[in-house]
Amino acid sequence: TQLLEQSPQFLSIQEGENLTVYCNSSSVFSSLQWYRQEPGEGPVLLVTVVTGGEVKKLKRLTFQFGDARKDSSLHITAAQPGDTGLYLCAGRLTGGGNKLTFGTGTQLKVEL
Amino acid sequence: GAGVSQSPRYKVAKRGQDVALRCDPISGHVSLFWYQQALGQGPEFLTYFQNEAQLDKSGLPSDRFFAERPEGSVSTLKIQRTQQEDSAVYLCASSLGGQSYGYTFGSGTRLTVV
Repeated sequence: TQLLEQSPQFLSIQEGENLTVYCNSSSVFSSLQWYRQEPGEGPVLLVTVVTGGEVKKLKRLTFQFGDARKDSSLHITAAQPGDTGLYLCAGRLTGGGNKLTFGTGTQLKVEL
Repeated sequence: GAGVSQSPRYKVAKRGQDVALRCDPISGHVSLFWYQQALGQGPEFLTYFQNEAQLDKSGLPSDRFFAERPEGSVSTLKIQRTQQEDSAVYLCASSLGGQSYGYTFGSGTRLTVV
C-alpha cells in the first residue's frame, strides 16, 4: 500500500485544456513538494508547501496543500506540450525527519 | 559541481554479478539519498546519509544492498549477487538538509540484470 496515492495515473489531453492532479494520504505531512520528471532524467523540484491550506502559483501551475496537511493538488491551466512528463508529489511525514516519501506518479501527455 | 552526478548511466549485469553505483552530490550538501524507481512509478526510498552517517537504511530491500559515504561526499550503492528483480533506475539526490529544502536529483543509473 502506497502512503501517497496520486490520481489520475495517466492523463492525455489536448493543448489548451486545464487539468488537476490529486495527491492523497491518510497520514499528516509537515511539508509537501511537487516534482516533474522527464524520460531519462531525475525529478526536478517545482514547489514546496508547508502550511495547511497554502496555495502557491508558478505561472500556469497552481499548487494547494490541504487544510489537514494530508493531501495536495496541482492544477495546470492551458496545458502546453512542454508540460508533458511524470508529476510526482512527495512529502515529509511529521516526525519522519528529512526523508521524502514519493507518490505513485501521474503521467501527463499534452498533444498539439 | 553544478549538479548531482551519477555513474554509470547504464549498467547491464549478469545475474549473480556484483555492481557498484556511484553518486557525486552537490558540494556542500550534507544530506544524500538513494531511491529505486520502476518505470512510470514514483521513486522508492532506499537509504539516507547525513554527512558520513547513514541515518536510515530501512528501505534497502535485502542484505545484498549496501551503501556507504565514507568521507561525507561521494556515495556508493553496492548490490551483491544481483537478481532480475533488482533491474530498475537507481536515483541519487542531495540536499542542504532541513525540511524546507528540496532534493536535487541526478539523472540516475539504469540497471538491467540479465
